[in-house]
Amino acid sequence: DGGITQSPKYLFRKEGQNVTLSCEQNLNHDAMYWYRQDPGQGLRLIYYSQIVNDFQKGDIAEGYSVSREKKESFPLTVTSAQKNPTAFYLCAVGQRSKGGYGYTFGSGTRLTVV
Amino acid sequence: RKEVEQDPGPFNVPEGATVAFNCTYSNSASQSFFWYRQDCRKEPKLLMSVYSSGNEDGRFTAQLNRASQYISLLIRDSKLSDSATYLCVVNRFTGNQFYFGTGTSLTVIP
Repeated sequence: DGGITQSPKYLFRKEGQNVTLSCEQNLNHDAMYWYRQDPGQGLRLIYYSQIVNDFQKGDIAEGYSVSREKKESFPLTVTSAQKNPTAFYLCAVGQRSKGGYGYTFGSGTRLTVV
Repeated sequence: RKEVEQDPGPFNVPEGATVAFNCTYSNSASQSFFWYRQDCRKEPKLLMSVYSSGNEDGRFTAQLNRASQYISLLIRDSKLSDSATYLCVVNRFTGNQFYFGTGTSLTVIP
């Protein structure tokens, strides 16, 4: 099945730890995105990549890092510099559709600091 | 001013009711418009694109007013399964960045 796979579904991080969230796609799309969702705030863009070996900061990149070594993969690392990392993290690919350019999301990773 | 603004609700309506959600966007350069549906603790999923001429998909009708920078979603004959959060999304081709509203919560009551 074509799609986007995020793992793990749930992740617990201790204070001061770095953690990496996985996002893999087999849709052959160039553009991939990472969003964070907090209650009552909607989705906020962390990083995006429009092509392999290139990525851009979004609105809230501080405390996060990414890499894009392969078209299929766009992992997100939440570093210890991110002071409030507890959130729902969503990876998306962009694809052109009849209505324009839309997103397909992965099923998300819930990160909790313990 | 936020890029996309929505009434957060919640909207609690009886089965069979008609309900309308509104959304405004601040940047006139916005090019593409969408409604996404998000179930509790799940990822958003595309409900429908919004075209300038208006478009319908079964019980759902979306409208766009570019002059007023306003988007709407009308749900007729509400079903229990329509209970979800509805996100208004706009896209500017420049930078290809999407902007999300905070969502409008709908609960359909038996």
